[in-house]
Amino acid sequence: GAGVSQSPSNKVTEKGKDVELRCDPISGHTALYWYRQSLGQGLEFLIYFQGNSAPDKSGLPSDRFSAERTGGSVSTLTIQRTQQEDSAVYLCASSMGQGALNYGYTFGSGTRLTVV
Amino acid sequence: AQSVAQPEDQVNVAEGNPLTVKCTYSVSGNPYLFWYVQYPNRGLQFLLKYITGDNLVKGSYGFEAEFNKSQTSFHLKKPSALVSDSALYFCAVRVWRDDKIIFGKGTRLHILP
Repeated sequence: GAGVSQSPSNKVTEKGKDVELRCDPISGHTALYWYRQSLGQGLEFLIYFQGNSAPDKSGLPSDRFSAERTGGSVSTLTIQRTQQEDSAVYLCASSMGQGALNYGYTFGSGTRLTVV
Repeated sequence: AQSVAQPEDQVNVAEGNPLTVKCTYSVSGNPYLFWYVQYPNRGLQFLLKYITGDNLVKGSYGFEAEFNKSQTSFHLKKPSALVSDSALYFCAVRVWRDDKIIFGKGTRLHILP
C-alpha cells in the first residue's frame, strides 16, 4: 500500500482481556518496528523484524507481549491479560532493510489502546 | 547503552522568532541522528537526519539541525517560527550495526501568534 496501515485505530478493552494489534507495512519494506507511545514517556522501542532474521525482542516489557510477522509482511502485536499500564498508542513503522539509516522510518497512524 | 535526552518538555516561541529544540545523546560508536515531528492527530514524520559530513543538516519545512560531537548534541533549529510548526518533536539516535532507533521523550513546541 501507499503507507503503513494499522488497525484498529482505537481499541478499548477490559483489564485481563487479550488484544491483537495489526500492522500492514509498505509493500517491499523488509524491516518492521513496533513502538509504544505513552504520555510523558516518549517512544519506547518494543520489537523489530528484519527479513527472515530472528526478531529483536529486547524492548518487550513483559512476557505478556508478543509479536509475529507472517510472510515477511503483516505483523500482529499481541498483548495478553492486559493491564491498565498497557494503555498507550502503539505505533508501527517500516523501512527498506537498512533503511533506518538511509531513508528513515515510515510510521503508521497508530492504535490507541485503552484498558479499563 | 545508547540514549537520547530532550531536556525540555515544552518550548514556547513567538511567531517569527528563531526556535531551538535541544537534544543530547549518549552512544558508543558513531551516532546516526534523526528528528521526527508529530502533528496533532497525525502520524510521526521524518524531518531530517545526520549520518556523516557537514555538521549542519537541512531538512523539511525549513528546519535544520547542528551536530556537535564534542557536546554530543543535535539541536533542532529554525530561523523564523510559524504557528504551523506547533507540534511534538522527537530526537532519535541509531548506532552502527544496530538497526533500531532509540527516541527521546519528545518536546512539545508551541508557536505563539
